[in-house]
Amino acid sequence: TQLLEQSPQFLSIQEGENLTVYCNSSSVFSSLQWYRQEPGEGPVLLVTVVTGGEVKKLKRLTFQFGDARKDSSLHITAAQPGDTGLYLCAGGSQGNLIFGKGTKLSVKP
Amino acid sequence: SQTIHQWPATLVQPVGSPLSLECTVEGTSNPNLYWYRQAAGRGLQLLFYSVGIGQISSEVPQNLSASRPQDRQFILSSKKLLLSDSGFYLCAWSARRPYGREKLFFGSGTQLSVL
Repeated sequence: TQLLEQSPQFLSIQEGENLTVYCNSSSVFSSLQWYRQEPGEGPVLLVTVVTGGEVKKLKRLTFQFGDARKDSSLHITAAQPGDTGLYLCAGGSQGNLIFGKGTKLSVKP
Repeated sequence: SQTIHQWPATLVQPVGSPLSLECTVEGTSNPNLYWYRQAAGRGLQLLFYSVGIGQISSEVPQNLSASRPQDRQFILSSKKLLLSDSGFYLCAWSARRPYGREKLFFGSGTQLSVL
């Protein structure tokens, strides 16, 4: 069974700090996606990475796909209260997407 | 542009009652459609997905069922709800892509409480 482990499970930081959250697996994925979900809403796709070692930047967010395509990280620079939410990674393989349990981020002003 | 509508937003139902959640997609044709359940601390669990009208694949055995009577309509049903059916239900669509490359677009969810 393919699993995606996300860490940390919870993260509470002050506005302006930097942070990194991780998504790890023992399985290889053909692609990896990151979603952000706000309370009471559905997840919203942030990025898809498909090539081992790939780095994508979305304003203050930097996403990296591991060389072996088994892990990914999301780095946020100078976090803002608007970044608060649940960050989910999802791995694609021969079946449907597999989701991690998420990292719940709280950015306090 | 494509939009996805899911309703109701909140639902409180007694144990043993029936369930019907509806999801519709606009602005696209022949989408893949999905039902997920999100329980606290357990992540997103895929319940059903459909690649076409009348084509339903079930990922988890349960007392829920799904139907796709029209191309852009996906319905989640139960004849008798259990306490364990409580959770946040999400409908999603994706364009046709190779497995594992789908980009999912989610509805706003239904918070179901079974009492």
